[in-house]
Amino acid sequence: DIEMTQSPSSLSASVGDRVTITCRASQSISTYLNWYQQKPGKAPKVLIYAASTLQSGVPSRFTGSGSGTDFTLTISSLQPEDFATYYCQQSYITSLFTFGPGTKVDIK
Amino acid sequence: EVQLVESGGGLVHPGGSLRLSCAGSGLTVSGNYMNWVRQAPGKGLEWVSIIYSGGRTYYADSVKGRFTISRDNSKNTVYLQMNNVRDEDTAVYYCARAREWELPGAYYYYYMDVWGKGTTVTVSS
Repeated sequence: DIEMTQSPSSLSASVGDRVTITCRASQSISTYLNWYQQKPGKAPKVLIYAASTLQSGVPSRFTGSGSGTDFTLTISSLQPEDFATYYCQQSYITSLFTFGPGTKVDIK
Repeated sequence: EVQLVESGGGLVHPGGSLRLSCAGSGLTVSGNYMNWVRQAPGKGLEWVSIIYSGGRTYYADSVKGRFTISRDNSKNTVYLQMNNVRDEDTAVYYCARAREWELPGAYYYYYMDVWGKGTTVTVSS
């Protein structure tokens, strides 16, 4: 099975800050990596798929990069609506989609 | 509008059974990879099960042998039959479509682009 880890598990940031979240896979997954945002009481929302492709309607301040085992999600200038929990997910093995443990971004 | 609506959650005793439903509109469940994802209170997302468009099914180890995913094409609905439930099955259960995206010259990519609002399952005596 492919295990996903994320760091940090949580972070505090201010509006306007640049934020970077890291995701690591236990084996190479090429670019089969998705990023989701989840707000309390809501379903997750896809931000990035195939490691770096921005989902339609998602602001361009979100960027994804990486391949193999190491990936990053960057928010270039944090906005009030970006305070949420972010999850990575591998799609290399679709018979066993795996999520990372999540990174909670809250207000400093 | 593409939409998924879950139902069937509730309170169930340990060892009991429950069937969750996910009704699709604006999409055909039989033509898509349909998933169940759950989230225990205060915890992260856990993928539970998938049914491929071709009908093959797969499960997380934590539910294998106890849960069964199926679909009724005439009702455009996906189900999750939960048997022999445990305390740790307490969660919000989401239904999600894994959309297929082809990068020319590469394999297909899949990402969950449509989610329901979720249905809550509480396992308690």
